[in-house]
Amino acid sequence: AQKVTQAQTEISVVEKEDVTLDCVYETRDTTYYLFWYKQPPSGELVFLIRRNSFDEQNEISGRYSWNFQKSTSSFNFTITASQVVDSAVYFCALSERYSGGGADGLTFGKGTHLIIQP
Amino acid sequence: SQTIHQWPATLVQPVGSPLSLECTVEGTSNPNLYWYRQAAGRGLQLLFYSVGIGQISSEVPQNLSASRPQDRQFILSSKKLLLSDSGFYLCAWSRRGGETQYFGPGTRLLVL
Repeated sequence: AQKVTQAQTEISVVEKEDVTLDCVYETRDTTYYLFWYKQPPSGELVFLIRRNSFDEQNEISGRYSWNFQKSTSSFNFTITASQVVDSAVYFCALSERYSGGGADGLTFGKGTHLIIQP
Repeated sequence: SQTIHQWPATLVQPVGSPLSLECTVEGTSNPNLYWYRQAAGRGLQLLFYSVGIGQISSEVPQNLSASRPQDRQFILSSKKLLLSDSGFYLCAWSRRGGETQYFGPGTRLLVL
């Protein structure tokens, strides 16, 4: 069975600090997909990134970066120079193999509540 | 571009009353559709998914049901609500053959 663990329930930092959100996953499949979503106070889940299991390249998008390491089954998310607008709940999610035409639901971690203080 | 709508945005219902939540997607055809529930302080749990009209798969046995009467419409229903049905219900869609799911604005349901 697949599982996603976000051990950090809540993180509070002061604006402009860097912060890393941890995500550890478990899966028996060799092909899988990892995601990060942001949930602001409004509640809507906003897609941030998807990584395929066969692509371990790290990715950077502006102040956001992601570190995918299959050896430790981790997919960590770093925000550089955090801003108050980054305050939200962040979810890591996993989807196992995807066959064309089929559908697999996402397995979510319990989320990390990130608080950026001004 | 694609848009996903959910209504109502908020709903307060008494125990034992029926429920109907609606989700529609615009700007795409033959999407996969999903219903998730987020209980207070917890992660998201997949309830149902659908790969086509009339095709529904259930992930968790419960007193909820789902239907897909049209290609881009997904409905979550209950005949009699329980207190434990309270939560935040999110609808999502993905392209056929695509992995990324995109979520709607959600419906907050409070059962009293």
